[in-house]
Amino acid sequence: KAGVTQTPRYLIKTRGQQVTLSCSPISGHRSVSWYQQTPGQGLQFLFEYFSETQRNKGNFPGRFSGRQFSNSRSEMNVSTLELGDSALYLCASSRSAGLSYEQYFGPGTRLTVT
Amino acid sequence: QKEVEQNSGPLSVPEGAIASLNCTYSDRGSQSFFWYRQYSGKSPELIMFIYSNGDKEDGRFTAQLNKASQYVSLLIRDSQPSDSATYLCAVNGGTGGFKTIFGAGTRLFVKA
Repeated sequence: KAGVTQTPRYLIKTRGQQVTLSCSPISGHRSVSWYQQTPGQGLQFLFEYFSETQRNKGNFPGRFSGRQFSNSRSEMNVSTLELGDSALYLCASSRSAGLSYEQYFGPGTRLTVT
Repeated sequence: QKEVEQNSGPLSVPEGAIASLNCTYSDRGSQSFFWYRQYSGKSPELIMFIYSNGDKEDGRFTAQLNKASQYVSLLIRDSQPSDSATYLCAVNGGTGGFKTIFGAGTRLFVKA
C-alpha cells in the first residue's frame, strides 16, 4: 500500500509570508501528527489530528495551525513566517488496534525561510 | 533537567555485539514509550512501542521499561552495520497530556 505522502517536498519562503503543507496518510489511518525537526531543537511534536479533531497540541505558538479533512488528509499552516521556522516538517499517520500501534512518517517538507 | 534524556554518543559497537541504548524521562506519569530509528537524511521509523513494565521483544530488538526508575532502554542483538543510525527515544502521556516528547537521540555506529 502507498506510504505517507507530503507535499511539497521543498519550499522557500520569505519572512512574514505564510505557508501551507499537506500530508496524505496511509489508507485506513485516521490519526495524523505533525512534527518539526531542526538540528538545534531536534524532533518536536506540533499537533495530532484524529477524525478531523485536534486531539493534542505541542508547545508551539498560535502561528502554527492545522486541520484534517474527512478523508484523513491533513494540512498545517504557518503564518507570519520567521527565520527560526526553517526546518524539516514531518507528518506521520498512525493506527492503534488493541495493544498494537503502528506509525509511519512521510518524507517531510523542507522549509527554508529567508 | 531535560524531559527525555539520551546519551548523544556516538556509541560504537563491533558487528555481532549487543548495542544498548538508554533513555531516562522526568515525567513519572508517562504512559507510552517509543524507539525510533533515523538514518541520516531520512525520516524516523518506529521500531518499538512499549507501555508496560518489563521487556518487549521484536526480532533483534528488545525494549525494556522500568517505570519506577523512569528509564527505557533498547537492546539490539547481533548488531549489523546497517543498524548504524540515530536512535530516538520518545515519551507520551504524562502530566502534559498526550504530546510526544523526544530525546535528542543517540548515534550508533556498528563497525564491520
